[in-house]
Amino acid sequence: NAGVTQTPKFRVLKTGQSMTLLCAQDMNHEYMYWYRQDPGMGLRLIHYSVGEGTTAKGEVPDGYNVSRLKKQNFLLGLESAAPSQTSVYFCASSFVIATGELFFGEGSRLTVL
Amino acid sequence: GDSVTQMEGPVTLSEEAFLTINCTYTATGYPSLFWYVQYPGEGLQLLLKATKADDKGSNKGFEATYRKETTSFHLEKGSVQVSDSAVYFCARDTNTGNQFYFGTGTSLTVIP
Repeated sequence: NAGVTQTPKFRVLKTGQSMTLLCAQDMNHEYMYWYRQDPGMGLRLIHYSVGEGTTAKGEVPDGYNVSRLKKQNFLLGLESAAPSQTSVYFCASSFVIATGELFFGEGSRLTVL
Repeated sequence: GDSVTQMEGPVTLSEEAFLTINCTYTATGYPSLFWYVQYPGEGLQLLLKATKADDKGSNKGFEATYRKETTSFHLEKGSVQVSDSAVYFCARDTNTGNQFYFGTGTSLTVIP
């Protein structure tokens, strides 16, 4: 049972570089989310998707883009990385949001120098 | 605005001690409330939930009651174990039901 898989797990970037985080889920979930986790800030929603081909902004969308071309995949892109984007990124998915059960990946630790 | 506030940590307890982690929320309407747990090196996982006032969620010896009058959802456990060491997050959903607000997390360490 893979569940929610994030790649890569760790990455170090220089300021201005670009990268893409991939989230894949094998549970046929409609909803997918990208969060960032920072000390003292908890989890903050970056972008989310309520179905294939749809995306929406969360609390902290600036500097990030997302795409949901396939139902099972949700990509998070950083076009020009900044040190403020150093964080741990979590992807989550849910089949029916009303149940409240988000399934999380193990996280991706990104450091921007 | 709508938010979740939980007690700051870290919290350190001896094994078999009683645990309370406070959580309060602000919301327009009546959200569903949740506790998630994050073990070291892992993603968050749902611990328990309550969907309406006076509901009690419970799991693995943990309990929390949805108190509308005090807008609270405090997490309790009567006797903690070393394996309960983790970060605990209180959360609520939104009226549209497609987003969640998380608290800042409370780190718990249980020592033998």
